[in-house]
Amino acid sequence: GAVVSQHPSWVICKSGTSVKIECRSLDFQATTMFWYRQFPKQSLMLMATSNEGSKATYEQGVEKDKFLINHASLTLSTLTVTSAHPEDSSFYICSARAQGVYEQYFGPGTRLTVT
Amino acid sequence: GDSVTQMEGPVTLSEEAFLTINCTYTATGYPSLFWYVQYPGEGLQLLLKATKADDKGSNKGFEATYRKETTSFHLEKGSVQVSDSAVYFCALSEGKLIFGAGTRLAVHP
Repeated sequence: GAVVSQHPSWVICKSGTSVKIECRSLDFQATTMFWYRQFPKQSLMLMATSNEGSKATYEQGVEKDKFLINHASLTLSTLTVTSAHPEDSSFYICSARAQGVYEQYFGPGTRLTVT
Repeated sequence: GDSVTQMEGPVTLSEEAFLTINCTYTATGYPSLFWYVQYPGEGLQLLLKATKADDKGSNKGFEATYRKETTSFHLEKGSVQVSDSAVYFCALSEGKLIFGAGTRLAVHP
């Protein structure tokens, strides 16, 4: 149980285009979802926290207009990277947490390459 | 701010060798400490945790003890297997998770 999936697992897009990444909790209701970014050989950095039906809370330094997060249902959150640039190339990882549960369950990640 | 530092990898061991992956932390309060493992192609999984000083977390033969005096949470296993090959992340939480950079472990037969 407690499986989180991400789609796509990797994506290549051209500079200036937008790309959407989906995060789904497959067997539980995720009242809270988190989006992380990981650069090569570096830590996972929390980008934002989203609660179902509410606006996401972004960490300091994360551009909310560039990284649009939607958490419209208890099983789906999306991250849209708008007007992507090569510096946005990274590994994006989501996690999900059920209400009343402390543990986060992580997706396998999405590798984004912007050319 | 809070931070986690863990030893750089890769760590390469032979099967049945003893494993230690060092982790130290900096925190303003009294965080909970975690080790996560990421197997190839999969998401991070919680391996073990400790919520207060001197607590020992253990799972699947892995252990780590919360040492407040040395601000450390080193991961140990007495006899590693090939199936333990993965990336290991140390993390702390005082509300949100803060991760170390990860340590890749490769175990050879």
